[in-house]
Amino acid sequence: EIVMTQSPATLSVSPGERATLSCRASQSISSNLGWFHQKPGQAPRLLIYGASTRATGIPARFSGSGSGTEFTLTISSLQSEDFAVYYCQQYHNWPYTFGQGTNLEIK
Amino acid sequence: EVQLVQSGGGLVPPGGSLRLSCTASGFTFRTYSMNWVRQAPGKGLEWLSYIGSTTNFKYYADSVKGRFTISRDNAKSSLFLQMNSLTDDDTAVYYCARGSDVTVGARPSEYWGQGTLVIVSS
Repeated sequence: EIVMTQSPATLSVSPGERATLSCRASQSISSNLGWFHQKPGQAPRLLIYGASTRATGIPARFSGSGSGTEFTLTISSLQSEDFAVYYCQQYHNWPYTFGQGTNLEIK
Repeated sequence: EVQLVQSGGGLVPPGGSLRLSCTASGFTFRTYSMNWVRQAPGKGLEWLSYIGSTTNFKYYADSVKGRFTISRDNAKSSLFLQMNSLTDDDTAVYYCARGSDVTVGARPSEYWGQGTLVIVSS
């Protein structure tokens, strides 16, 4: 099983500032990585797939990068609606594992 | 508009069984793979199971293998998860999630159901 490790566990950032979230895979997953965010009481929302392609309707302030084992999600200028828990998921090998999440909170 | 509407959650005693359903609309269900994902209270996301568009391929997480069975009825645009031998650790919100179209490669789920709560307790 591929283990996905996200860091940091919690990130405190002020609105308007940049946030950088990391995700590491225990073995190479090529670019088969997605990023989601989730707000309390809601289903996850897909932000990025293929490590760097924005999903439908996702604003340009969200960008993804990386390949192999190291991946980054950058939110260029945080809006109030961006404060949530962020998850990465690999879909390279079964089982399709998620990271444990990064809680992006308002500083 | 793509919609995934779930039903079938509730309270079940340890050792019991429950069947979750997910009815799809707004897309050609039979050409898409489907997944089940769950989230225990206060915890992260856990992928559980996958079924291909034609039911030939099914995969399970080790945590549910041998106890849970994924199935689909393409004629009724419906996805199911039969859960047997339930334990306290299975208490969670369960989500169905659309996979990728048969004509494209694997992708993470862009569309999710609203989630249904399963509580395993005596």
